Amino acid sequence: DADVTQTPRNRITKTGKRIMLECSQTKGHDRMYWYRQDPGLGLRLIYYSFDVKDINKGEISDGYSVSRQAQAKFSLSLESAIPNQTALYFCATSRASGHVFTGELFFGEGSRLTVL
Amino acid sequence: RKEVEQDPGPFNVPEGATVAFNCTYSNSASQSFFWYRQDCRKEPKLLMSVYSSGNEDGRFTAQLNRASQYISLLIRDSKLSDSATYLCVVIPANQAGTALIFGKGTTLSVSS
Repeated sequence: DADVTQTPRNRITKTGKRIMLECSQTKGHDRMYWYRQDPGLGLRLIYYSFDVKDINKGEISDGYSVSRQAQAKFSLSLESAIPNQTALYFCATSRASGHVFTGELFFGEGSRLTVL
Repeated sequence: RKEVEQDPGPFNVPEGATVAFNCTYSNSASQSFFWYRQDCRKEPKLLMSVYSSGNEDGRFTAQLNRASQYISLLIRDSKLSDSATYLCVVIPANQAGTALIFGKGTTLSVSS
């Protein structure tokens, strides 16, 4: 089983619908991230969380919200999906600051979202 | 100037070739640098860190040039399996261990 699991892997939805992407991890890491990837734009950070009580906006947080339900779970919501939110979404984890940060993010396999 | 810039390629090389990618970064106080690899339709994975003194891992060599603000990745004796997108990653100054800044990636295609 993957250490970082994202659900759903693929989703097609309509404009205006609420969508939730879920991420769970078994790595025991405190830090979790949500990125989106678009062709030609690369990976861009949406939100990140350093522990259950910590939520931070990233580069492109507008139109998104997150919830850190537990150390192992970090969900991303699109309250009212729009077509330009069509993208590949990645959840990632990394170790907490108490350890030497190696620069390694552990990514899930991605959730491909299409908004019609 | 964008924070992290890479030549998108594609770089098309035959097996056995040596190929090099550069990546420039705009923040001179950036602290840490990495190369990630992403296969088609897969998640990115850490390839190697980039140290000030340069570092080598088998056929891969990474170097940092702080004066010119770029990092490089050299791949020797290219294999078909090296075909992927290579992402340059920077940790901005005063953001140790937080959000990494990803370049858009350089695509490598190795052919037989």
